[in-house]
Amino acid sequence: KAGVTQTPRYLIKTRGQQVTLSCSPISGHRSVSWYQQTPGQGLQFLFEYFSETQRNKGNFPGRFSGRQFSNSRSEMNVSTLELGDSALYLCASSTTGQSSEKLFFGSGTQLSVL
Amino acid sequence: QKEVEQNSGPLSVPEGAIASLNCTYSDRGSQSFFWYRQYSGKSPELIMSIYSNGDKEDGRFTAQLNKASQYVSLLIRDSQPSDSATYLCAVTLSGGGADGLTFGKGTHLIIQP
Repeated sequence: KAGVTQTPRYLIKTRGQQVTLSCSPISGHRSVSWYQQTPGQGLQFLFEYFSETQRNKGNFPGRFSGRQFSNSRSEMNVSTLELGDSALYLCASSTTGQSSEKLFFGSGTQLSVL
Repeated sequence: QKEVEQNSGPLSVPEGAIASLNCTYSDRGSQSFFWYRQYSGKSPELIMSIYSNGDKEDGRFTAQLNKASQYVSLLIRDSQPSDSATYLCAVTLSGGGADGLTFGKGTHLIIQP
């Protein structure tokens, strides 16, 4: 069974631009969560989608948004990029997104904002 | 605001010894507790989960939970150089939906051959 796939692996953008990241969950998984990882703040929860609906959102500005498609694939968008958005963005999937479930993480997208 | 605290390390342990990693959390409503291992340049991988007070053993790993003290720990017996990684403690509230994991910043563990 293929794991969680994130594309692209690396991205370089400049301030003010926008970016879209993609995540394909493990087959059969309907919950997709997004996390931001930085050396200073560690891993922080962005949002979670299940059946095309955002069920929960972390403490991030509205510039961070996402969506999920009917095939459970998810995209995350960051608009008006800031230097502080440079981070590793990780996507994780699980079957139903229950709090007790194991999360499977993708390899991440390393975003650099110049 | 939910917080999870870990000593950042590095924690240096000789090969074959027991590595002890600790974590405290602030939200008394937390119900699910996890330990993830993250190798440098890789994504986190779940190694242990625990939901009730006491000890849970899986191979060389033992997770310990004390909800009264809001404390979670991970013991690694017979430490191997391949155990060298950053260990992330994560907690979440109970409930039907996913409220997201709150992670600690991780403890960097070094196993010295």
